[in-house]
Amino acid sequence: DAEITQSPRHKITETGRQVTLACHQTWNHNNMFWYRQDLGHGLRLIHYSYGVQDTNKGEVSDGYSVSRSNTEDLPLTLESAASSQTSVYFCASSEEGTVEAFFGQGTRLTVV
Amino acid sequence: AQKITQTQPGMFVQEKEAVTLDCTYDTSDPSYGLFWYKQPSSGEMIFLIYQGSYDQQNATEGRYSLNFQKARKSANLVISASQLGDSAMYFCAMRESTGRRALTFGSGTRLQVQP
Repeated sequence: DAEITQSPRHKITETGRQVTLACHQTWNHNNMFWYRQDLGHGLRLIHYSYGVQDTNKGEVSDGYSVSRSNTEDLPLTLESAASSQTSVYFCASSEEGTVEAFFGQGTRLTVV
Repeated sequence: AQKITQTQPGMFVQEKEAVTLDCTYDTSDPSYGLFWYKQPSSGEMIFLIYQGSYDQQNATEGRYSLNFQKARKSANLVISASQLGDSAMYFCAMRESTGRRALTFGSGTRLQVQP
């Protein structure tokens, strides 16, 4: 069955370190998204991609970057982790002409 | 400006009763979609129901229905015959046809079903 997976599921890192969160989907979807979830804010869009070599900034993109070298993967990099980036991160994918977006299981990141 | 507003941070409902979770939205795009997702304590995002802005009928999926009032820009989720397993966070979201293909989420409502 097609799926979308995130790794790691949990990570603790120190302030200032570079961190990369992985997202891999086997749906062959062109659209991929990264969100962060914080109490009281719901899910907020960090970055998104409509296809290989395409990346775009969302509302809360400062301090984050993504790259899309193939259809299946959209890794999210925190260039220099800050305590304000402690959050739960969700990756999602979707395809044009379809309704549903599929979400990964989430990654809980703690920056100490 | 906030595009999706959920004004109920938390709600309680008795088992077997119906409950309505409120959602209002703001958009100038004539074509858009409205979504509801459920997030149980385990954390995954579960798609529940979808309503297109041009759909004439309110969407229904089992015990879930979406009360779509376009003129009032509201898209309330109605859960009939609540079950203990319905206890979760519920998020309303919107996707506009023009511009980004991403979902914009509300802040969520935590529903607790009491026995």
